[in-house]
Amino acid sequence: DIQMTQSPSSVSASVGDRVIITCRASQDISNWLAWYQQKPGKAPKLLIYSASSLQSGVPSRFSGSGSGTDFTLTISSLQPEDFAVYFCQQASSFPLTFGGGTKVEIK
Amino acid sequence: QAQLVQSGAEVRKPGASVKVSCRASGYSFTSYDIHWVRQATGQGPEWMGWVNPSSGGTGYAQRFQGRVTMTRNISISTAYMELSSLTSEDTAVYYCARVSIVAGDWFDPWGLGTPVTVSP
Repeated sequence: DIQMTQSPSSVSASVGDRVIITCRASQDISNWLAWYQQKPGKAPKLLIYSASSLQSGVPSRFSGSGSGTDFTLTISSLQPEDFAVYFCQQASSFPLTFGGGTKVEIK
Repeated sequence: QAQLVQSGAEVRKPGASVKVSCRASGYSFTSYDIHWVRQATGQGPEWMGWVNPSSGGTGYAQRFQGRVTMTRNISISTAYMELSSLTSEDTAVYYCARVSIVAGDWFDPWGLGTPVTVSP
């Protein structure tokens, strides 16, 4: 199975800050990576797919990059509604696997 | 717009089974695979498997093989996930999710989740 490791596990930031979350795969997954946002009591929401493609309706302050084993999710200017948990997911091979999550908290 | 509506919360005793439903609307049910993902409190999501609504074909994560069954009823646009031999470690929120319209096994939309509690 492909292991997905996210860092940091949590980050404290202020509105307007730039936040970068990383995700590392245990083997090459090309660009078969997605990022999700999850708020308390809600289902995950797709933000980024194919490592860098922005899902329709998602604000442009979210961006993704990377290929192979190392990936990043960047929030260019953190907004109040962005405080949530973020997960990466690999879609290169079954079983599909998710990272452990990064909680973005208010500083 | 595409929407997935799941059945309500369930409580089961260890050793029992649970069957969760997921009704699709707003799109052609047979055109996209439905996957099932569970999430224990404070944990990352865990993928369980998929069902192809058109063919009924399935694929399961190895750790659930022999214990999970995913089916569908085309006439009512509903997918099902049944998990047997429950233990306390199966306590989680169970989500159905449709593969996105863009190529790749990523998920959009998701159902709201069905909490399953396994307790003596």
